Formats: sequence, structure tokens, C-alpha cells
Amino acid sequence: SAVISQKPSRDICQRGTSLTIQCQVDSQVTMMFWYRQQPGQSLTLIATANQGSEATYESGFVIDKFPISRPNLTFSTLTVSNMSPEDSSIYLCSSATGVNEKLFFGSGTQLSVL
Amino acid sequence: SQKIEQNSEALNIQEGKTATLTCNYTNYSPAYLQWYRQDPGRGPVFLLLIRENEKEKRKERLKVTFDTTLKQSLFHITASQPADSATYLCALPTDSWGKLQFGAGTQVVVTP
Repeated sequence: SAVISQKPSRDICQRGTSLTIQCQVDSQVTMMFWYRQQPGQSLTLIATANQGSEATYESGFVIDKFPISRPNLTFSTLTVSNMSPEDSSIYLCSSATGVNEKLFFGSGTQLSVL
Repeated sequence: SQKIEQNSEALNIQEGKTATLTCNYTNYSPAYLQWYRQDPGRGPVFLLLIRENEKEKRKERLKVTFDTTLKQSLFHITASQPADSATYLCALPTDSWGKLQFGAGTQVVVTP
């Protein structure tokens, strides 16, 4: 299994600012993903964080708005840029030890944008 | 487009009874399906994976079925307990790497 530490756990931010969320896994993992969960809704995949290369974004999500880094097999960051109230959501980091394996999730970052 | 449907209405059930949740999907031909549990303020936790060639899978009080003809999975919690109260999500892979799409989830409330 993998234990994922995500921080911050919550933040309140002003419109137009940026927030970087960190995700640390306690072991090397093949796959890392970033999801968003809006209030009362299910998880929406933002992107796959690729080690050593650019992230792969899902439809509706772009690198300029959600830049992602993954410098090694245990760490990734997601930045929410130029925030607006519509970005208020829970952001979740997840990982899998291999392809087509179960996902482990962090506890999430609850973001509120004023 | 690919779609996953779960009953959006909360399932209220008495302790000791069996809870049955449904996951229907369209425009998928998944090699497997996964079920997760999510508690408020926490990330989802993996429960079970069932493959397309498996009709049924069990883990303790949990049972999952997978009917690829009906494009449906059923998730059962037998002898339910108040601690089983949570939201249960089904998830399907959308590519060969295991990138998952999640259903909206069904909330289960077990009362003593």
C-alpha cells in the first residue's frame, strides 16, 4: 500500500492568486493523478502527473491554469493559478503502484476562493 | 461519451440488513470495475476490484457482481453496521494505464 501526505489540508485564498498543493507518497509509485471534487459531486480527473515530463491533461483542463510538476517517483505538485471562486473545490492527489492497479488517495486540499 | 450512473438518492437502511447499490455504465467495455468508500473530509479508499471475467467477488461482508451484458455492477453490504455509513463510488478505467473515471457515488446511512 501507499500512504499519501497532501498539504495544505485547507486554504482560503483571494481571487487572482495562486496556490500550490504538494503530494508526497511514502514509496515509489508508477502513476500519480490529480482529481477535483466539487461540493456534493464526484471526482473529476484533472491530469496524470508524469515523472520527468509534462503532465497529461483531461478535456477542460489546461496547463496554464493547473501546472503540475512531478520531479521524481514519490512527489508531485499541483498549482491552481489565477484563482476564481469557481475553483473552490477539494483537490485530491492519488497514486497507483502500477498500471491498472487500485488507487490510493490523499486526504485532499479543501480550497475556498473569495 | 462514457457515462457512469449511480443512484443519487441516499440509501437509508437498518442495521443488520443488506444494502444493495447499483452502478450502470454506457459506452464502456471495461476490463474491470472498482468500488471505493469515501467518508466526509477524506479521500476515497479502495474496497474491491472485479474483472470482466469474474461474475462475483467477496471480501468479508462485501459482495460485488459484474454483468458486462447488462453493463452493470451491484455492490452489497451484508449485515450492515452504522460504521458502514459512507458514500460508495464505482470507478471504471478509461485507458490501458488504469486512469479511472468515477461515478457520483451513493450515500449509505445505516441506523441502529
